[in-house]
Amino acid sequence: DSGVTQTPKHLITATGQRVTLRCSPRSGDLSVYWYQQSLDQGLQFLIQYYNGEERAKGNILERFSAQQFPDLHSELNLSSLELGDSALYFCASSGEPGAFIDSPLHFGNGTRLTVT
Amino acid sequence: DQQVKQNSPSLSVQEGRISILNCDYTNSMFDYFLWYKKYPAEGPTFLISISSIKDKNEDGRFTVFLNKSAKHLSLHIVPSQPGDSAVYFCAASGPGNQFYFGTGTSLTVIP
Repeated sequence: DSGVTQTPKHLITATGQRVTLRCSPRSGDLSVYWYQQSLDQGLQFLIQYYNGEERAKGNILERFSAQQFPDLHSELNLSSLELGDSALYFCASSGEPGAFIDSPLHFGNGTRLTVT
Repeated sequence: DQQVKQNSPSLSVQEGRISILNCDYTNSMFDYFLWYKKYPAEGPTFLISISSIKDKNEDGRFTVFLNKSAKHLSLHIVPSQPGDSAVYFCAASGPGNQFYFGTGTSLTVIP
């Protein structure tokens, strides 16, 4: 158990709809990352938050948005959904690397989104 | 632009033999490298990492080698076991603490 919790596990919705994916990071981790994995693809970085602030953006569509709340949980909002948005969405968290300490990402088990 | 590449989509190895998974990167600013293992329907699990100040890191049956001049890292699993069958992702991180992942190598260990 990585300590990262994602809900829901599965989501089936129709094109044009909007969904919200939720992530609770490991206790003490301030950074939250969102990744998308489409069929047979690698992990595509979407966005990173650190202690409530957006830190980095990757290949995130304008139809997608995210936020990190004061309790450090994060939500990824996907709107105007298209068939191509069907994918696994992973959340990961990490501690803050120190001068001599690296901090790996720890992943949740993902939310499988199916757009029909 | 894929900054981390795993050129072998799949690998099959006999149980007890060595598995070698390879990874190349392009960004010389990367200073932290990781390997993850992923089973179906689960999230990637952190396996082992290496800092750019080292060229080797060992943890039990798993050893990661880093060749900075060639921008290449590899994961050695010795001896390979059927339970090692999974998809392995390499990842790299640099300033800004962003993590870039390869596309994965599916390892099958044949009993």
